[in-house]
Amino acid sequence: GAGVSQSPRYKVAKRGQDVALRCDPISGHVSLFWYQQALGQGPEFLTYFQNEAQLDKSGLPSDRFFAERPEGSVSTLKIQRTQQEDSAVYLCASSLDWGYEQYFGPGTRLTVT
Amino acid sequence: RKEVEQDPGPFNVPEGATVAFNCTYSNSASQSFFWYRQDCRKEPKLLMSVYSSGNEDGRFTAQLNRASQYISLLIRDSKLSDSATYLCVVNEGATNKLIFGTGTLLAVQP
Repeated sequence: GAGVSQSPRYKVAKRGQDVALRCDPISGHVSLFWYQQALGQGPEFLTYFQNEAQLDKSGLPSDRFFAERPEGSVSTLKIQRTQQEDSAVYLCASSLDWGYEQYFGPGTRLTVT
Repeated sequence: RKEVEQDPGPFNVPEGATVAFNCTYSNSASQSFFWYRQDCRKEPKLLMSVYSSGNEDGRFTAQLNRASQYISLLIRDSKLSDSATYLCVVNEGATNKLIFGTGTLLAVQP
């Protein structure tokens, strides 16, 4: 079956631009996670949804980062006024429910110039 | 201090070698533990869960020592296809978020 998909796969933004990254989880998966992976580092947690409820956003680095999942399926991570330090791979993961294995999407590679 | 620490490597080993990776975690309340594999420019994929009793999957053996807050992964008879980054991962349970180490790069040489 289809896995987690993310779009775009690559995004180049000029400093100060807003970007929106999309995640389509595996159908029927209740839990959805966003992670940020900088070059040479492991992924770092950003935020977590259970259905449409954002239960944990403790990892969002600043108020320029915003995530939503309005219908409990597709999620969008928005970054306003991008900065160079936002350059990273943004990974989305979904799981059947709380505590189940997380399956990762291919990621969106964001480069801020 | 990072919550999950592991040697970044790289580990360069010949085919057929046995290689061991180690990892420590700082939160004693952590509830579940994993090794993930990440190929270059790909997403992380679950390799295996780690239990206190130890678990084995073919050439791979994982071990957890809760008292020492230490996790290990042993790969026997290394193959070229084992070349990847191995990520030590902890789930703290309450938040259900995964905490990743920086990863250990393994390069198996012919």
